[in-house]
Amino acid sequence: GQQVMQIPQYQHVQEGEDFTTYCNSSTTLSNIQWYKQRPGGHPVFLIQLVKSGEVKKQKRLTFQFGEAKKNSSLHITATQTTDVGTYFCAVSNQAGTALIFGKGTTLSVSS
Amino acid sequence: NAGVTQTPKFRILKIGQSMTLQCTQDMNHNYMYWYRQDPGMGLKLIYYSVGAGITDKGEVPNGYNVSRSTTEDFPLRLELAAPSQTSVYFCASSYSWREFINGYTFGSGTRLTVV
Repeated sequence: GQQVMQIPQYQHVQEGEDFTTYCNSSTTLSNIQWYKQRPGGHPVFLIQLVKSGEVKKQKRLTFQFGEAKKNSSLHITATQTTDVGTYFCAVSNQAGTALIFGKGTTLSVSS
Repeated sequence: NAGVTQTPKFRILKIGQSMTLQCTQDMNHNYMYWYRQDPGMGLKLIYYSVGAGITDKGEVPNGYNVSRSTTEDFPLRLELAAPSQTSVYFCASSYSWREFINGYTFGSGTRLTVV
């Protein structure tokens, strides 16, 4: 079935440093979604990418979809303590009826 | 507008007991899902439903059952609970895939411990 590899599994940064998480697939993706889960909370939808080479920004967050639609990245500029949590990428299953999630990247930020 | 509501929030079960995790949504979403989350393992799809009366297995369906008699409700049944079912369970809903741009809406989760 569809799988995505997400790296790194954990990342610790000092407040103000940048952070990037990557999501990779061996097959071409129709689209990819990103979610954030705060500690003790539930996943919250951030964005969906559909087009090859697409770049979308949400304030300090930049999302990219690779030209071959096999990888994606989430970059946070100048991290803040509010960015703490686990970031998941998710892709459609083969039937296009449900999402398969990566294992996530857990970000910790020290001030 | 409540979104996706899950009950209970916490539960401790003894091995061999059964229980139903409740999930209801008020957004008129067609699609509903159950995931389990274990530390460091991301979210694993248990079952999903694309509409009332239609359900399908996900990645890890063994030990679980579901039903979808209404658009709003999608309960998850655990029969003969085992320690391996200790996890956090999330219910989610969405519009159909082609209208997916707003992603999933998740419930707040049920933390289940089997002892």
